[in-house]
Order: sequence, then C-alpha cells, then structure tokens
Amino acid sequence: EVQLVESGGGLVQPGGSLRLSCAASGFTLSNYEMNWVRQAPGKGLEWVSYISRSGSVIYYADSVKGRFTISRDNAKNSLNLQMNSLRAEDTAVYYCARRSDDNSRSVDAWGQGTMVTVSS
Amino acid sequence: DIVMTQTPLSSLVTLGQPASISCRSSHSLVHSDGNTYLSWLQQRPGQPPRLLIYKISNRFSGVPDRFSGSGAGTDFTLKISRVEAEDVGVYYCTQATQFPHTFGQGTRLEIK
Repeated sequence: EVQLVESGGGLVQPGGSLRLSCAASGFTLSNYEMNWVRQAPGKGLEWVSYISRSGSVIYYADSVKGRFTISRDNAKNSLNLQMNSLRAEDTAVYYCARRSDDNSRSVDAWGQGTMVTVSS
Repeated sequence: DIVMTQTPLSSLVTLGQPASISCRSSHSLVHSDGNTYLSWLQQRPGQPPRLLIYKISNRFSGVPDRFSGSGAGTDFTLKISRVEAEDVGVYYCTQATQFPHTFGQGTRLEIK
C-alpha cells in the first residue's frame, strides 16, 4: 500500500525554522517526482515546491522562494522541506504529494499532512 | 502564473441529481507536448485531497464512473451524474502544464 507520512510540524515563532519530512512506503521514492502542497486553515490548496526524481530539477512558489528548500534522500525513501524565516502566512497543513509516474503529471497520492503554525 | 477560476464556489444538490463544476484557466493548458495537464481533486471533510480525474477526462483508479471530466484549452467541466452522500466535500481543479502549478479556489458540494 502506498503511504506518505509527514512529520516535523508544530508551533514556531515568526522568523523561526522548521524541517518537515515525508516518509514514503509501498513504492520506490526514486521513481517518482514529488511535491509539497499546503492548505491554510479553512482555505484552498497552494502548491509550494516540486523536485524531480534525482533532485536535479527544483521549483518553488514565489511565496516561499529563498526561504524554503526542498530535498530528497532516495536511499532513505524520504522527502524534506526546510523552512526558514517563517511568517504567519506560512501557517498551514503541509502535504507531501506524489506525482504519478505515467506522464499525466497528476498528483496520485497524498499524505495526511502536518500542521505548521507560525505565531508568537 | 496561470489563474484557475471555478464556478460555482458552492453547490447544493439533491441526492441522485447531477452536479456540474466549471473551471476556467487564464491561459491555455495545452502543453508544447500536446497534452493538457488538467486534473480534478476531491477533498472530503477532514481528509487530504484525492485524485479523481487527470488529463481532462481520465478517471483515476477506483473513482466511480458517475464522475466525468471534459473540456479543452481553457474551459473544463467536472460532472457527477448522480450525487451520492459520500460526494460531499470540496472539489478543486488544478493545472500542471506549467510551474507554478495552480489550483482553483475550490467548489463546496453539499447535499440538500
């Protein structure tokens, strides 16, 4: 069974840092492109970042560029998101999301999410 | 950035009746490779999103055939032929034709 389990969320002060992780199981992470998507409380979905299978191609939303860093460790079947200089508007549930391997570019698997709250 | 606009933002539907959600993109979603990377997601209350439809009209594995997608270019539609109680939730269209990937605002489906 495909599973994505996020961890690392919590309460952090503005300007602080957090590192989110996503543990993948039931499939080989190295075969898949991955994304982080977030959802502020009561709001819609916002794409945050993308990473290619090897990690050589990376994209970020303008809202997080220069502050967030996506990375992956295929040997450990793990996806990460280092979040620095956090702001109140970064408060959201962060989802790890797998891009399908059939060239449809669809996101075919989602984790349950981890909540990040930025507040003093 | 490509802006995705959904209508309506809220829909109240009687059980067994059809429902339709429209999604319009600010730019054509046809990629240079000829594909249109438009998907539909469902998010039930308290759950992560779930893929329903990809590349406009392809149902994802396990999705009931009462869900269908159509459209081309900049105009797309998700239809539910006969709404069931389990269809309550928020529906999002999303494009992966270019970065940044973007989502519609979401359409909340409720049962009368």
